[in-house]
Order: sequence, then structure tokens, then C-alpha cells
Amino acid sequence: EIVLTQSPGTLSLSPGERATLSCRASQSVSSSYLAWYQQKPGQAPRLLIYGASSRATGIPDRFSGSGSGTDFTLTISSLQSEDFAVYYCQQYNNWPPRTFGQGTKLEIK
Amino acid sequence: QVQLQESGPGLVKPSGTLSLTCAVSGGSISTSDWWSWVRQPPGKGLEWVGEIYHGGNTNYNSSLKSRVTISVDKSKNQFSLRLTSVTAADTAVYYCAKADRGRYLDYWGQGTLITVSS
Repeated sequence: EIVLTQSPGTLSLSPGERATLSCRASQSVSSSYLAWYQQKPGQAPRLLIYGASSRATGIPDRFSGSGSGTDFTLTISSLQSEDFAVYYCQQYNNWPPRTFGQGTKLEIK
Repeated sequence: QVQLQESGPGLVKPSGTLSLTCAVSGGSISTSDWWSWVRQPPGKGLEWVGEIYHGGNTNYNSSLKSRVTISVDKSKNQFSLRLTSVTAADTAVYYCAKADRGRYLDYWGQGTLITVSS
């Protein structure tokens, strides 16, 4: 089973700043089968990024994903108020099981 | 656009059975996608429960495998989750979701809170 570790656990930033979230896998995620989701309180997760770097439909271009192998990054270039949420990475390379990271909470500083 | 809607009782007694259904609209369940259940205990992260393909193939989280059954009803365009011998640790928001050709989870239901309590 691939274990995903996200860091930091909480990230405190101000609107307009750049956010960098990390997701590290316990073994290589080949073909970049990694996704990122955003979850706001009381809502279901929403797909942001798939294939490590492809934006899902309707996702603003301030969101970008990068990485390969065991190290992946989600970058939000200029934070908007609606971006403060919890972010999860998830691998679908070696499944079952589909595994999620423990999440990074992005909060307003 | 595919939409998913969970339904089921919000309260289940300890040692009882949790049963949920996910109705799929806006598209057929008989595609090359897989249909998943994901849960989230209050204040915690996401846990994949299991999934089914329209042909009946299933995959389950090994930590729940002995208690979980996922089934599909193609005539009703829905799939279901059954979890037996529940305890307070099974209290969570349960989401159904579509895995695009077995890959990422691109559509999610709104989620339903299931509380295990006497």
C-alpha cells in the first residue's frame, strides 16, 4: 500500500501570497497517477488536479500541480479568499487501495 | 453532467448494519468508470472504503473487507454500501464518488452523516 504524507499540516498565509503544498509517497507513483482535491467545510471534496499536473474542468489557472516519482507539489500562485480550505492528495497508481494523504489545512494568516 | 446522491438512515445502532445507496443521474452507471465509497470521520481525513464496476467486480479497503459489501443495480442506475457490525468508529460522513475510468474521483455526492449510537 502506498502511504502519502502531506506537509505542512497547516499553512498560514495571507491573500495574494503564494502557497506551496507537498505530498510525498512511500514508493514511486508511476505515470504520475496522483490527484489533488480541495475540501471546504461542510462540502464534498472537489477534484483540482489529476495526472499530477492537469487541471480539472473549471479549475482556475492559479492552481498548478507538479512532480513525479515520490514527490509532488500543489501550488496556488496568488491566494484568493475562496482558496482557504483543506487540500488532499490521492494516488491511483497502485490500487486497490486508493490512498489519500492526511490533508493540509490552508488558513488565513 | 453526472450527479450522485447518497441516501440512507442517519442513525445506526452499535452492532447493527449500515446501508447506503448512491443514485446516479445524468449518465449511465454502465460505463468504463468505477463507483466508489469514501468516508470521513468528524474532523478527520478521507478514507477510501471500496468500489464497484458495473459488471460486479469489487475492491475493498483491507481494513474493512470482512464487514463491507458493495453492490450495483444497473436497472435503477445506483450502487449500494453495506457495512456490518458497526461501532462508534464507523461514525462518519459517507460520500459516493465516480472514478473516471478507474482513475481519479471526478464526481462526488454531497455526503451523508451516519452516526452509530444507541
